[in-house]
Amino acid sequence: DAKTTQPNSMESNEEEPVHLPCNHSTISGTDYIHWYRQLPSQGPEYVIHGLTSNVNNRMASLAIAEDRKSSTLILHRATLRDAAVYYCILGRWGAQKLVFGQGTRLTINP
Amino acid sequence: GAGVSQSPRYKVAKRGQDVALRCDPISGHVSLFWYQQALGQGPEFLTYFQNEAQLDKSGLPSDRFFAERPEGSVSTLKIQRTQQEDSAVYLCASISEGLGNTIYFGEGSWLTVV
Repeated sequence: DAKTTQPNSMESNEEEPVHLPCNHSTISGTDYIHWYRQLPSQGPEYVIHGLTSNVNNRMASLAIAEDRKSSTLILHRATLRDAAVYYCILGRWGAQKLVFGQGTRLTINP
Repeated sequence: GAGVSQSPRYKVAKRGQDVALRCDPISGHVSLFWYQQALGQGPEFLTYFQNEAQLDKSGLPSDRFFAERPEGSVSTLKIQRTQQEDSAVYLCASISEGLGNTIYFGEGSWLTVV
């Protein structure tokens, strides 16, 4: 399975945008880029996913580099509730499991 | 219910005791997964079912771990003769179709072996 690299931790302030980077230099053509987040004492929660084009939903935006070797999860206006561990995961079409790394622990300051 | 339901939410077991963890996936979801998450780590894959068929059990750490889904809905993860290293959160997840769609996780069963 292709690996992803994320910073161990990041910190931001409430109501400011947050850009969470992810490197995936060994991504294959069929790999989707998934982002999940895990709030304290909860199971992981889907945030967003994409293949090639940038994606937006009500939670976040996903910016994918043209060569697909990196991507950035963008939280447009962070709230305290966004404090969580964010996982960037590659998933091959037809594969039936997600391989989680260590993720990025995001702290939001009031 | 609307989400993936797991029980018990918390379990304390004495070393050597057998435990059974239950997962109720979202109704109609074909695929079901079990993950193990140690403290401070990301979830690690244990096993995968498509309906009642266990198609991948490559992540089960030892033959003390056994999972079943006899009727293609509810699943049970059983751990025999628990050891302290089995202490972790056990997460269940379900998905309606192949990867590319959203995977829904339960809140997990927190197992502590003393």
